[in-house]
Amino acid sequence: AQTVTQSQPEMSVQEAETVTLSCTYDTSESNYYLFWYKQPPSRQMILVIRQEAYKQQNATENRFSVNFQKAAKSFSLKISDSQLGDTAMYFCAFIFNTGANSKLTFGKGITLSVRP
Amino acid sequence: EAQVTQNPRYLITVTGKKLTVTCSQNMNHEYMSWYRQDPGLGLRQIYYSMNVEVTDKGDVPEGYKVSRKEKRNFPLILESPSPNQTSLYFCASSFRGLSEQYFGPGTRLTVT
Repeated sequence: AQTVTQSQPEMSVQEAETVTLSCTYDTSESNYYLFWYKQPPSRQMILVIRQEAYKQQNATENRFSVNFQKAAKSFSLKISDSQLGDTAMYFCAFIFNTGANSKLTFGKGITLSVRP
Repeated sequence: EAQVTQNPRYLITVTGKKLTVTCSQNMNHEYMSWYRQDPGLGLRQIYYSMNVEVTDKGDVPEGYKVSRKEKRNFPLILESPSPNQTSLYFCASSFRGLSEQYFGPGTRLTVT
């Protein structure tokens, strides 16, 4: 079974500082994608960043970057220069293609608060 | 604008009264899926569809039905809602297999 674990339920960071959100996953698949989704108070699910498992280079999107450690099955999200608008719940998610269902398996999420 | 839409956004209903939550996407995506989000559980898949007329169960399908008669639409049907179906529901779509899924704005359902 595929599982995604986010062990930290809550984190807080000062505005303009850097914060890292942790995620580990378990799978026997070799071809898969990993994602971080952001859910602000509006409840909308917003894709933050994605990482293809076959790529060794860590993905980066502006202030957001990942540290992908395939052997350790670790996929952490680093947010640099934190902004008040980054306050949200963040979900780590995993997908592999069985040829049929492309189900996203989510972690339970982490609530991030950015302090002014 | 490329988007996934859901209606209604909020719904309060009573036990046993049939309801439908609509989902529509304008991106010509083949894959569509329904998830429910509950506190402490993350998001769990209810049903999915690989293409028109092709649907299958996800992890928590009990009490739900779906249909996919057109590529753009994927309604979620609760034939006899119960209080344990009170949840936040998301529809999502993607081109195919290993690609990011785009989510609708969510539907907050309360069953009393």
